[in-house]
Amino acid sequence: DTGVSQDPRHKITKRGQNVTFRCDPISEHNRLYWYRQTLGQGPEFLTYFQNEAQLEKSRLLSDRFSAERPKGSFSTLEIQRTEQGDSAMYLCASSSPGTGTYEQFFGPGTRLTVL
Amino acid sequence: DQQVKQNSPSLSVQEGRISILNCDYTNSMFDYFLWYKKYPAEGPTFLISISSIKDKNEDGRFTVFLNKSAKHLSLHIVPSQPGDSAVYFCAATLKSGKLIFGQGTELSVKP
Repeated sequence: DTGVSQDPRHKITKRGQNVTFRCDPISEHNRLYWYRQTLGQGPEFLTYFQNEAQLEKSRLLSDRFSAERPKGSFSTLEIQRTEQGDSAMYLCASSSPGTGTYEQFFGPGTRLTVL
Repeated sequence: DQQVKQNSPSLSVQEGRISILNCDYTNSMFDYFLWYKKYPAEGPTFLISISSIKDKNEDGRFTVFLNKSAKHLSLHIVPSQPGDSAVYFCAATLKSGKLIFGQGTELSVKP
């Protein structure tokens, strides 16, 4: 088990461009979460999936953001028409709450810089 | 509305002494609490957790205490080591899935 992986680790883009990030969770985990973290703050919840179903979306997730988990395995987060305020670390986490624990295991994150 | 708060942005402790990191929350419905440790350029790493039905959980050098009446939890690290220097986040959940994090406390353990 290699843990949660995210790709790319860094992304620099110009304002107005679209970007897509990928997350591969721990293989037996059925829940997958996306968070965003800005400097000096804790991670903020964006959305989560149980298998392929998207169960909750934060108000932070504007209509420029879309997330998918088509086969219940990896997930993608797309940001359309990026803005400078989108610059942040985007974190993915996975968990398996059926085991009775609620720990989420995080990937290394994708750092987005919008110029 | 900050439901989970860590009011100390930083803490400095001498190696070998106790580190105490504090966290307050406002939502009495939270039923599970977690502590994460984060190094620069890495994702948060799970440290220790506690269910709301307990008041203490211990794992090696790390102990988490929960005071439900005060809506307060704390993480004790004994003895502190230089490798413990990192940012520590407390988080809470309703078991519905999402974690709600505090702002973090940067711990510096000096040799």
